Amino acid sequence: AQSVTQLDSQVPVFEEAPVELRCNYSSSVSVYLFWYVQYPNQGLQLLLKYLSGSTLVKGINGFEAEFNKSQTSFHLRKPSVHISDTAEYFCAVNRFTGGGNKLTFGTGTQLKVEL
Amino acid sequence: KAGVTQTPRYLIKTRGQQVTLSCSPISGHRSVSWYQQTPGQGLQFLFEYFSETQRNKGNFPGRFSGRQFSNSRSEMNVSTLELGDSALYLCASGGLNEQFFGPGTRLTVL
Repeated sequence: AQSVTQLDSQVPVFEEAPVELRCNYSSSVSVYLFWYVQYPNQGLQLLLKYLSGSTLVKGINGFEAEFNKSQTSFHLRKPSVHISDTAEYFCAVNRFTGGGNKLTFGTGTQLKVEL
Repeated sequence: KAGVTQTPRYLIKTRGQQVTLSCSPISGHRSVSWYQQTPGQGLQFLFEYFSETQRNKGNFPGRFSGRQFSNSRSEMNVSTLELGDSALYLCASGGLNEQFFGPGTRLTVL
């Protein structure tokens, strides 16, 4: 079975400051990695994904993430945050399981951007 | 291309009742997955349907069931509702390399 750990439940940061949201995963097989964002009363929006290839992945809204296989991490970063980035962020893995697919999510990190 | 749609968006039920939620995937997508989101348990996988067959199942009691129609639209049903079933139910369509989520159905059980 796979699992995802997001150690930080809340991350406060000032506007225009950099931010890193941490994600570690465990799995006995290769996985695909994702970061999703959720705004209040909405569904999940895909920020970026790692399937293969370059370990540095760029996504929407200026976010990027780096896949580190040796540390089993997939941390999300943004060099300068905006008030509108305030939301909950979820790291997830997908492993081909018995012919189907199933996302396993971390517990989420609430990013609060302050003026 | 239209996104994943879910109906209804909000629902209030009482304990013991049953409820049916609907999900229409993105056109051309044959896989539909369902997730439950609660403050205490987070996002948990319920089940996945592909070409009208349940392909994957999470660890939920038998009160939670689903089905998929030939046009890939899916429904999930919860029977004998409990207070703990209050949650945001999210539907997603897509494949192994990307899942697109709908806005969810907020179910409140009183």
